[in-house]
Amino acid sequence: EAQVTQNPRYLITVTGKKLTVTCSQNMNHEYMSWYRQDPGLGLRQIYYSMNVEVTDKGDVPEGYKVSRKEKRNFPLILESPSPNQTSLYFCASRTMFSRVYEQYFGPGTRLTVT
Amino acid sequence: SQQGEEDPQALSIQEGENATMNCSYKTSINNLQWYRQNSGRGLVHLILIRSNEREKHSGRLRVTLDTSKKSSSLLITASRAADTASYFCATDASPGGFKTIFGAGTRLFVKA
Repeated sequence: EAQVTQNPRYLITVTGKKLTVTCSQNMNHEYMSWYRQDPGLGLRQIYYSMNVEVTDKGDVPEGYKVSRKEKRNFPLILESPSPNQTSLYFCASRTMFSRVYEQYFGPGTRLTVT
Repeated sequence: SQQGEEDPQALSIQEGENATMNCSYKTSINNLQWYRQNSGRGLVHLILIRSNEREKHSGRLRVTLDTSKKSSSLLITASRAADTASYFCATDASPGGFKTIFGAGTRLFVKA
């Protein structure tokens, strides 16, 4: 089954404790992206990647890091989480070819930073 | 910065009625997409309309795009209780189209 998976689904942590949220897709998609969703603000793009070792900033990259060492994986790293990073996070992927822009989303990771 | 803005923020209708949601954006686009999100879950792609198209249909969905006004509308005809969800427009800003910008969404509630 074609899917995007994220782990963990729920995470409660404390300020300053480094964490990683994993994202994996099995559709051989070149493009992967991270979003955060906050009430009233819709989804805001954090980082995206067009292929292995190619990443770029979205609208709200501050406080986040990403890496793309393998095509299927795109982890999101919070080196020193702060309470304002409490949010619902989504990973998404799509193909870069054939002018197809439909993104496939993971189930989300609800992060609380205390 | 947010590009897409949906209107209304929330909409409550009876089953069988039509639901219309609007989206405005600020910059040039390659295409505009509509997504649906059931409470707290991942988004699901509904329909895409390219910048050179004016109208598109898919089942009970009808999307229009007016690039001169930088706006789009999503019409759901003969709504059902199962259509209850949040709906978001998203634009892939040109050039390149690698950045995706979502609106704040419209929450639709369809009463049975």
